[in-house]
Amino acid sequence: DTGVSQNPRHKITKRGQNVTFRCDPISEHNRLYWYRQTLGQGPEFLTYFQNEAQLEKSRLLSDRFSAERPKGSFSTLEIQRTEQGDSAMYLCASGPASRETQYFGPGTRLLVL
Amino acid sequence: QKEVEQDPGPLSVPEGAIVSLNCTYSNSAFQYFMWYRQYSRKGPELLMYTYSSGNKEDGRFTAQVDKSSKYISLFIRDSQPSDSATYLCAVPNQAGTALIFGKGTTLSVSS
Repeated sequence: DTGVSQNPRHKITKRGQNVTFRCDPISEHNRLYWYRQTLGQGPEFLTYFQNEAQLEKSRLLSDRFSAERPKGSFSTLEIQRTEQGDSAMYLCASGPASRETQYFGPGTRLLVL
Repeated sequence: QKEVEQDPGPLSVPEGAIVSLNCTYSNSAFQYFMWYRQYSRKGPELLMYTYSSGNKEDGRFTAQVDKSSKYISLFIRDSQPSDSATYLCAVPNQAGTALIFGKGTTLSVSS
């Protein structure tokens, strides 16, 4: 399967714990995005990488959130000191350099107790 | 006013019906328009991508853009139970760095 992959698919954690999610984009895509989706809403943009450079961050990305994309390949999204409001589906997408289209992974569903 | 508005439904139709899903957008500078399909507990899947006004057809799916009224539509012909999903419209922001999504319309096709 050459699509976008995300791990883990599900994560249950206690409030205050740190969590880290991984995204492996489609190999030839240099653009990578993170979104968050809550029930009944469309995905909301969190951050964007072009190769290894993080070029844009949403206001939704508080200082408890950090994302990296070392060497322009896979990406990680870390949430520190999780809160119950962080419970959501975290989606990763990748896209080719020449087009606006984005291809999504299956998401990581986070539940903060 | 939100940048992309979409009626969340739910929309229920019998198998074989023609389905019309719609979105409105506020910024006339938007140039690209996309429809995604999302099955329950899955990631969104790109369904259609259009650039200009007019129609684009792909099998049973037709995407229509009316830039003068800032209205985008997705038509599904001969709907099937497997079409039951949430349909999301999306536009890239002007910088091309993010997609702005509607809330999604939940469609249920009964056999």
